[in-house]
Amino acid sequence: NAGVTQTPKFRILKIGQSMTLQCTQDMNHNYMYWYRQDPGMGLKLIYYSVGAGITDKGEVPNGYNVSRSTTEDFPLRLELAAPSQTSVYFCASSHQPGGNYGYTFGSGTRLTVV
Amino acid sequence: GNSVTQMEGPVTLSEEAFLTINCTYTATGYPSLFWYVQYPGEGLQLLLKATKADDKGSNKGFEATYRKETTSFHLEKGSVQVSDSAVYFCALRDSGNTPLVFGKGTRLSVIA
Repeated sequence: NAGVTQTPKFRILKIGQSMTLQCTQDMNHNYMYWYRQDPGMGLKLIYYSVGAGITDKGEVPNGYNVSRSTTEDFPLRLELAAPSQTSVYFCASSHQPGGNYGYTFGSGTRLTVV
Repeated sequence: GNSVTQMEGPVTLSEEAFLTINCTYTATGYPSLFWYVQYPGEGLQLLLKATKADDKGSNKGFEATYRKETTSFHLEKGSVQVSDSAVYFCALRDSGNTPLVFGKGTRLSVIA
């Protein structure tokens, strides 16, 4: 089925380790987003991309990096994991800007940093 | 800046009760408004949307009306079911390339 695929679903990291959260979509959407979800805090935007080769910071970008070399893929990199990065991470994509389109979300990656 | 404020949860209702989840927004332009639902262990799914004032979005028995005069987009359902237990997020998207802005979410539990 078409959609947004995130891997892995679960991961435990030690403080200082690094990892990449993978996100891929097969809907040919130009716009892709990374959010983190903390309990009781809703979703906060980390980074987003409006097309291949273009990325921009969201509300909480510190400690993360992204790249967008293809339309399909939008990986999120954590270089030096910290306990404050324990969260559920969601990737999403959208067809185009403007008000008529919502997002398609992946099923999330639950990350624990110990 | 743009923001969304939702009523605090959790909300616990008996089956077949009437549901209202309040949502108000602040925006500089003329946003589109959305309700997303997150079932346990899953990602968010679009529930309904409205793109201009006085529009009513509806889906699966849920509905919400875009009220520009009160800057609100309250979610309602006439008769909830146990299967409606989930977290509900109100969101807005302004013009241009701006990403969605989400409220904090409201957890709904429906008991039989």
